[in-house]
Formats: sequence, structure tokens, C-alpha cells
Amino acid sequence: AQKITQTQPGMFVQEKEAVTLDCTYDTSDQSYGLFWYKQPSSGEMIFLIYQGSYDEQNATEGRYSLNFQKARKSANLVISASQLGDSAMYFCAMREGRGYGQNFVFGPGTRLSVLP
Amino acid sequence: DSGVTQTPKHLITATGQRVTLRCSPRSGDLSVYWYQQSLDQGLQFLIQYYNGEERAKGNILERFSAQQFPDLHSELNLSSLELGDSALYFCASSEGTVSYEQYFGPGTRLTVT
Repeated sequence: AQKITQTQPGMFVQEKEAVTLDCTYDTSDQSYGLFWYKQPSSGEMIFLIYQGSYDEQNATEGRYSLNFQKARKSANLVISASQLGDSAMYFCAMREGRGYGQNFVFGPGTRLSVLP
Repeated sequence: DSGVTQTPKHLITATGQRVTLRCSPRSGDLSVYWYQQSLDQGLQFLIQYYNGEERAKGNILERFSAQQFPDLHSELNLSSLELGDSALYFCASSEGTVSYEQYFGPGTRLTVT
């Protein structure tokens, strides 16, 4: 079974609009972390936001917020006021376990295109 | 610029050969992670080192090995290369053993012919 599911292979959004990128995860661990990364066409991976499984508040970083619904095992990324520079691949990832058993799993990604 | 450096940027080699990829973490970061990104397998975690010691192991093949040196730079060694090893190899770093954020280097694109 997929540990990280991103059901939207591609998304379009109008500039200045908000957009939600979906991510669901599967783990039996109680302690885990969820990450979102951006990969522009240039290829680098840019860390956007982190949410710990015990964090009660949704994480926010500037225009990025993570809508964490633990019971539903979802960790959607919300980008407010989209900009042309937001066009990129977005990856949801999970850190499971701690210590030597730590593992990182990435989803297949969502390609976001921001339209002028 | 994340502060993580990787060399070389591109590498082209033949099947059966061995290559070494190098990574320098951000200043102050003690953990280094290696990832492989390929079209068919997506992004896969390979291995983590923390302050010179192997800390976590992912989907790393036996033909691959890594190490972290006292100055904290890390090397990923890939041997007996196969066509399927062609991929973008990323190094990332974080401050502690459990990462709450990871900063990625620009990657090394490996092409095996």
C-alpha cells in the first residue's frame, strides 16, 4: 500500500487565488512528521513546511499552511495568494519512526501551474 | 541557496563502473541524508548519517555505500553501476538526528550508459 498518496497529478490555479494540494498518509506510528517540498523546473528541492504528529496547531510558514487532520490522516498544503513563481512540483513526505528505525517516504508529487 | 553543496553536478559513466558523489552539509548541521530521484521510482530515501555514524537506512542497495567524515562532509559510493541507477541523487542536511526540516543540495545527475 502507498504510504503517501497525492491524488492530484496536476493542478491549475489563477494567480492570486488560493490552492489546496492534497496529501494522505498511512502509518501505524504514533510519532511521525509530515513535510512539504517544492521542486521547480530547475530541479532543486525546497523545504516548505513541517508538521509533527503531536502538534496541535496547524503549521504555517508565510503563504504556506498545512491543514493537518490527524483522524483522517491528511496533511494538505494550502498556498494562499498564488504567484507565478509557485509553478512547480510539490511533494508531500513523511518521517516515520525515530532513531535507527527512522524512514522517509515521499509521495508521487503534484504539478502546480499558476496561470496569469 | 540552501547552503548544502554537492559535487559533481553531472556525471556520465558506463555500466559496471564505480562513482563517488560528494556532499557538504549546511554549517552547523550534523545529519546528512541521501536520496535518489528517478522517473520510475520517484524520490527514495537511501541513508542518514549523524555526526559520522550511520543513523538510519532506507532503500539503499548493497552496491551502494556511504560515509560521513570528521569534517561532516559525506560521500555516496555507487559501484557496479547499472542503467537503472541513472537518477538525480540528492543530499540533504539537518541539525539533529530527528529532522523537522531538511535542506537539500542541488543534486548530482548520474547518467549510466
